[in-house]
Amino acid sequence: EVQLVESGGGLVQPGGSLRLSCAASGFSVSSKYMSWVRQAPEKSLEWVSVLYSGGNTYYADSVEGRFIISRDNSENTVYLQMNSLRAEDTAIYYCTRDSADDYQYYYMDVWGKGTTVTVSS
Amino acid sequence: DIQMTQSPSTLSASVGDRVTITCRASESISSWLAWYQQKPGKAPKLLISKASILASGVPSRFSGSGSGTEFTLTISSLQPDDFASYFCQQYESYWTFGQGTKVEIK
Repeated sequence: EVQLVESGGGLVQPGGSLRLSCAASGFSVSSKYMSWVRQAPEKSLEWVSVLYSGGNTYYADSVEGRFIISRDNSENTVYLQMNSLRAEDTAIYYCTRDSADDYQYYYMDVWGKGTTVTVSS
Repeated sequence: DIQMTQSPSTLSASVGDRVTITCRASESISSWLAWYQQKPGKAPKLLISKASILASGVPSRFSGSGSGTEFTLTISSLQPDDFASYFCQQYESYWTFGQGTKVEIK
């Protein structure tokens, strides 16, 4: 069964750091595009970052320079290192597996249950 | 950046009703549009990709149409399990979501 399980969320002070983990089962993270998507309280969804199977990474402007996405193939896990956290980063963070149409247009076909990040003093 | 605008924001309907949600893109995205369903406290679930392709296990009462900048999600006969929020998403250039449509009981 294909599954994603996030962990690592919690309460952190502004300016602090947190590392989220996304453990995958049923497929290899190294062969798929993997993303992080967040949802602030009572808000819509916002794409945060993507890690391509080839290793390229991309970020939303709102987190560029502060967040880093990576993976450990041996652990079949994707990570999101979040630094210099701000109140506006408060959200549920979802890990997603991305699948392609026509080999180049990727949508999120599998979602984890999410982990909650609260940035507050 | 491509902006996505959904309407309505909230929709009140009864079981058995035909429901239509509209999504507009700020520029053409061909057919690179997905729809997701989200229930309270749960993760989003993929319903439709490429504007009209039903994901595995999604009931046939759901359908999607459109291309370019105008898209619709239709539920042909609303069921109790369908009361939820629905989001459109473009994936032509990175990823952006609409603001969501909450389908509530009338």
